[in-house]
Order: sequence, then structure tokens, then C-alpha cells
Amino acid sequence: GAGVSQSPSNKVTEKGKDVELRCDPISGHTALYWYRQRLGQGLEFLIYFQGNSAPDKSGLPSDRFSAERTGESVSTLTIQRTQQEDSAVYLCASSSTGGRATNEKLFFGSGTQLSVL
Amino acid sequence: TQLLEQSPQFLSIQEGENLTVYCNSSSVFSSLQWYRQEPGEGPVLLVTVVTGGEVKKLKRLTFQFGDARKDSSLHITAAQPGDTGLYLCAGGVVTGGGNKLTFGTGTQLKVEL
Repeated sequence: GAGVSQSPSNKVTEKGKDVELRCDPISGHTALYWYRQRLGQGLEFLIYFQGNSAPDKSGLPSDRFSAERTGESVSTLTIQRTQQEDSAVYLCASSSTGGRATNEKLFFGSGTQLSVL
Repeated sequence: TQLLEQSPQFLSIQEGENLTVYCNSSSVFSSLQWYRQEPGEGPVLLVTVVTGGEVKKLKRLTFQFGDARKDSSLHITAAQPGDTGLYLCAGGVVTGGGNKLTFGTGTQLKVEL
């Protein structure tokens, strides 16, 4: 596709339910990132995928959060037993330089607004 | 943990005014990026600076990377309503695990007519 696509754009769920967020990166981009953004704040790194290497999961806030990526394509971020503090915008970004360049450019999707009631 | 503090957090100005946004850290970065984000959208990259003391200009926007590569500033001349948005700085450190960016706390800019 022309850009990074995320779905759904909005998700409202009840506390305790599981949610799955999807990211379609730009074709050919080897690196994929997930970030969390609370209202009006900066981005909090969650996880990074680079090709077939083991993902960098150092930003995942708890074991309720997990993410997968199939090859260099679609990624899903799963949040189990959602809590109200999980409410935020979840942003996905992809890059063609694979995280190896100091001038790496990230292309972001529009995000998924998650609201946990 | 690398932290990037931005100031001010909020800024509301009139069209035509000048402004400066600061991004500060105690950590050294390989690169420093500035993004602008509009409501309902993801951040869009404005510029990347990689050399200490580097200055880059993008029309009415001037970006500077500190000599020690720990801080940066964004100066906007003659602000326009179209400049309204959330400005984010992001510091990059290249490691074996990739270029994991640390984002700043953000500066919300509103430019009024």
C-alpha cells in the first residue's frame, strides 16, 4: 500500500477483555515499531521488529502485552485482560533502513484509539 | 533510561509571532529528529540532524542540534495557523538492536489568527 495502515481506527472494549490491533507496514519495509501515546503526550516505545531477528520487546509494559509479525509483513499487537490504564492511541511505524542508519525515517500509521471502559 | 524533556509543554501564539521549542536530555544521541503530529494522524518527520552544532532550515523552521548532541531546538519564524500541531523530538541511538528512538514529551502549539 501507499502508507502504513492500522486497523481498527477506534476500539472500545470492556475492562478484562482481550483486544488485537493490526498494522500493515509499507511494502518492502523491514523494520516495524509499535508505540503507545497517551493523550497529548509523547510516544512510548513498545516493541521493534527487524526482519527475521528476535524482536526487541524491552518496552512492553507488562506480560499482558504481546506482538507478532509474520516475516516482513503484517503485525498484530495483542493486549490481554485490558485495564483502563491501557486506554491510549497505539501507533505503528515502519522503516526501510531497518534501524541501522542514524538518519532512519519512520513512517507512521494513523493509529488505533483504544478506549477501555 | 534516556529521557527527552520538551519545553514549553503548551504554546498558544498569534499569527506572525516567532517561537522556539526546546528538547533537552542528559544523554548523548547519534541523531535527533523532529516530528509534527496533527489530530488523528501519526507523526510526520520534519528533519533529522546528526552532527553536533548542525543547523538545518526548512522554510520558516530552523532546527539546531546541540554541540554535545544532548539537546536540540526548533525555531519557527512568523508562525502561521498551519503550523498548529504537536511537535515531538526524538533521539536515536544505533545499537545492535536497531535505532530505537526515544521520543520527547511533546509541545502542543496553537497558532491563532
